[in-house]
Amino acid sequence: DAKTTQPPSMDCAEGRAANLPCNHSTISGNEYVYWYRQIHSQGPQYIIHGLKNNETNEMASLIITEDRKSSTLILPHATLRDTAVYYCIVRVAGSNYKLTFGKGTLLTVNP
Amino acid sequence: EAGVAQSPRYKIIEKRQSVAFWCNPISGHATLYWYQQILGQGPKLLIQFQNNGVVDDSQLPKDRFSAERLKGVDSTLKIQPAKLEDSAVYLCASSFTGTDPYEQYFGPGTRLTVT
Repeated sequence: DAKTTQPPSMDCAEGRAANLPCNHSTISGNEYVYWYRQIHSQGPQYIIHGLKNNETNEMASLIITEDRKSSTLILPHATLRDTAVYYCIVRVAGSNYKLTFGKGTLLTVNP
Repeated sequence: EAGVAQSPRYKIIEKRQSVAFWCNPISGHATLYWYQQILGQGPKLLIQFQNNGVVDDSQLPKDRFSAERLKGVDSTLKIQPAKLEDSAVYLCASSFTGTDPYEQYFGPGTRLTVT
């Protein structure tokens, strides 16, 4: 699976959009981009995933660049409860569903 | 729907002792995973089951760790004997099938402290 690079930490003001970047420059054409988050003392939680097109659900939006070498997770209106570690993961489609977590980005939403 | 259940939530043991963790996945989920998460790091997959068969145990320290999933539902992870470096949170996750795209559902984890 391709390696990802994320900033170790970011801050965001409550009510503003949080934009979390992820670099995956070695991604292959058959690899998905997944985002999970982990709130303190809880297990990771799935947020969203995508292959080529931008995706949106009730939690977030995922913007994937045209060359697929980077992506951005957008939380449109961050709340204090969005404070968590956010993991960007790429994995090969069709293989056993193995998630390889990095250290992620600690997003702190400030009041 | 009920989430992934794990017990105990916390465990403190001395090195060289044994310990076991239990996981009950979401009903109907065929795939079950055990992860180890050391403080400050992301979770690392230890073992993956598809029903009651092992799909991937390449990162399981087999000299001291063992896991089973009898009847393709509940699972137990055992450490014997424990070492100081085994102090971590052990996470169990489950998913509907072993193919993507789909999501894994994680339990709250068991925090193990080895002294």
